[in-house]
Amino acid sequence: GAVVSQHPSWVICKSGTSVKIECRSLDFQATTMFWYRQFPKQSLMLMATSNEGSKATYEQGVEKDKFLINHASLTLSTLTVTSAHPEDSSFYICSASGQSSYNSPLHFGNGTRLTVT
Amino acid sequence: EDQVTQSPEALRLQEGESSSLNCSYTVSGLRGLFWYRQDPGKGPEFLFTLYSAGEEKEKERLKATLTKKESFLHITAPKPEDSATYLCAVLANQAGTALIFGKGTTLSVSS
Repeated sequence: GAVVSQHPSWVICKSGTSVKIECRSLDFQATTMFWYRQFPKQSLMLMATSNEGSKATYEQGVEKDKFLINHASLTLSTLTVTSAHPEDSSFYICSASGQSSYNSPLHFGNGTRLTVT
Repeated sequence: EDQVTQSPEALRLQEGESSSLNCSYTVSGLRGLFWYRQDPGKGPEFLFTLYSAGEEKEKERLKATLTKKESFLHITAPKPEDSATYLCAVLANQAGTALIFGKGTTLSVSS
C-alpha cells in the first residue's frame, strides 16, 4: 500500500531556533499534502493544506509566517517551525493524497515529536 | 459546521468482551467516513472507508457500519493487541479538503 515517510521522528530544539520536518510519499505522487498537529489526548487538528507548486492554505489561527510549508515536488513537502517556543511542542503529522485518490484513504506519516526547551 | 463526535472517550474491556465504538457526524455532503487506528507516538493507520448508509466493512475482529448520522466500529472478542486509540474522520464533498477528525476512543483490552 501507499507509504508516507516523515522525518525526523522526534526532535528537541532550543527556544528561538527553527526546525524542519520532511514528509515524503514513497510510492505515489502526492498532489495534496496536509499538515496536522496533535496535542496529548487530543484529536488531529489540521494546520494547513498544500498543493504541489502553489502556496499552502492555512487554517484559521495558524500563523503562516511561523509554520512555513513548502511543497516543491509531487513527493516532498516540508514544514519549518520558525523561532520555535515551548508552546510549539507537539506531535506533527503529515498526510498525503494522490491524483487518483478522490475517495481513497489519506495516508499518514508516523509523525514527528517536537520538544522545544 | 462539519463536526465529528466519538464516544466513549475511553473504554476498558476484558479479553473476549465484545463492544462497539460510536462516531456521530454532521457534514455538508459526505464523501467518505474513515476509521483509523493510532498507537502511541505513531501516525494513524488506515482501517476502513465507508461511503454510503448501510455499508459495512470487516477486517479480522473489527466491523464498521454506517448510517446517515453515525458509524459504529464493532470489536468482536478483542485481544490485548487491539488496545489503541481508534479515530473516526469524515471527508466532505469538496475536492482537496482534509479529513475532519473526532477526538478518538482509547481502547484498553486486558487479558
